[in-house]
Amino acid sequence: DAGVIQSPRHEVTEMGQEVTLRCKPISGHNSLFWYRQTMMRGLELLIYFNNNVPIDDSGMPEDRFSAKMPNASFSTLKIQPSEPRDSAVYFCASTLDGISYEQYFGPGTRLTVT
Amino acid sequence: GDSVTQMEGPVTLSEEAFLTINCTYTATGYPSLFWYVQYPGEGLQLLLKATKADDKGSNKGFEATYRKETTSFHLEKGSVQVSDSAVYFCALNRETSGSRLTFGEGTQLTVNP
Repeated sequence: DAGVIQSPRHEVTEMGQEVTLRCKPISGHNSLFWYRQTMMRGLELLIYFNNNVPIDDSGMPEDRFSAKMPNASFSTLKIQPSEPRDSAVYFCASTLDGISYEQYFGPGTRLTVT
Repeated sequence: GDSVTQMEGPVTLSEEAFLTINCTYTATGYPSLFWYVQYPGEGLQLLLKATKADDKGSNKGFEATYRKETTSFHLEKGSVQVSDSAVYFCALNRETSGSRLTFGEGTQLTVNP
């Protein structure tokens, strides 16, 4: 299996622009997670989907952030408008719920907002 | 709520030294416990896990034992290598939380030759 795939790997954008991060989970996994990692705040869970349905979005910082999972093989995290404080590494992870609870992480997208 | 506390980093060791990274947790019931490792520029990957009290997880020379009486899951390795330099995260899962993991803050390990 190819593992969790994220794109782009790096994104540099200007403040105010829309940013869309993409994730393809491992085939057959039914839970998907978006995380944000910064030096100041560490690893934060943003949102958690199960069977394509958002279960917990309490970690989403504010209305500028939105996430979708239109089908079992694709998810997006959108930031509109972006701000410099959104600069971070964003990870997507997936798992097969109820089996081992081991989450498989993608390589991350490094976002820089100038 | 659930929480995981790791020893403060960074930790710097010489090659072949003994490693311990402390991890304690707070959770109701009987959570599963994990250690994840993050190498530079990569995502987290599972290092080892234990699903019940007194279980020992092991992988790549690393070990951790699930101690319910002390609510701990300390990571150990007898002889570290330069290639072990990474950030190590302790985490727990409670079955009633679905697949969610509660992570510790991470401990940066640097091993010098």
